[in-house]
Amino acid sequence: GDSVTQMEGPVTLSEEAFLTINCTYTATGYPSLFWYVQYPGEGLQLLLKATKADDKGSNKGFEATYRKETTSFHLEKGSVQVSDSAVYFCALSDPNSGGYQKVTFGTGTKLQVIP
Amino acid sequence: NAGVTQTPKFQVLKTGQSMTLQCAQDMNHNSMYWYRQDPGMGLRLIYYSASEGTTDKGEVPNGYNVSRLNKREFSLRLESAAPSQTSVYFCASSEGLAGPYNEQFFGPGTRLTVL
Repeated sequence: GDSVTQMEGPVTLSEEAFLTINCTYTATGYPSLFWYVQYPGEGLQLLLKATKADDKGSNKGFEATYRKETTSFHLEKGSVQVSDSAVYFCALSDPNSGGYQKVTFGTGTKLQVIP
Repeated sequence: NAGVTQTPKFQVLKTGQSMTLQCAQDMNHNSMYWYRQDPGMGLRLIYYSASEGTTDKGEVPNGYNVSRLNKREFSLRLESAAPSQTSVYFCASSEGLAGPYNEQFFGPGTRLTVL
């Protein structure tokens, strides 16, 4: 079945540091890929997405490129801020789910940015 | 526009008690979902409703029932709570089944503890 593997956290960075959170996936067919972010005490919200190979999703300074050859969708940001402290989930959506939007989530990576 | 709302935010139950988690969305979405979030396991789908009047089991349905009351509301019921159901529960909605690219919108979650 489908699966998503992302790096374990927590990740602690100083403000303005470069961020990479690794994500790899296993899926049949051609899934769509997502990064969701969960701020403390809130639900998940979509950060960015990519629907086909070589697509780059971007939002709020975050980027991720759909790499089919390496089955990866790593999240990057050039300069993190304290306000980026949150839990980040990589996810994929199976286009062959037979009738509903089946989304498989990774286990989440907690990011803490210190001033 | 409140998005997806959930009640209650917190709940403590004793083993064997029952309760219903309420979820409502005001985005006119067709599909709604219930997930549970446990440490180190990401989000797992409990039940979903592809459209008003239909419900189906997800990955971990045992011990739960759902009702799609109308297009806006989707409730999750625990008939006889067990400590293994201690978790954070998220409701989500999306526009529908028009492919795997639909973003899911999440509620703020219900933190449930079963003693």
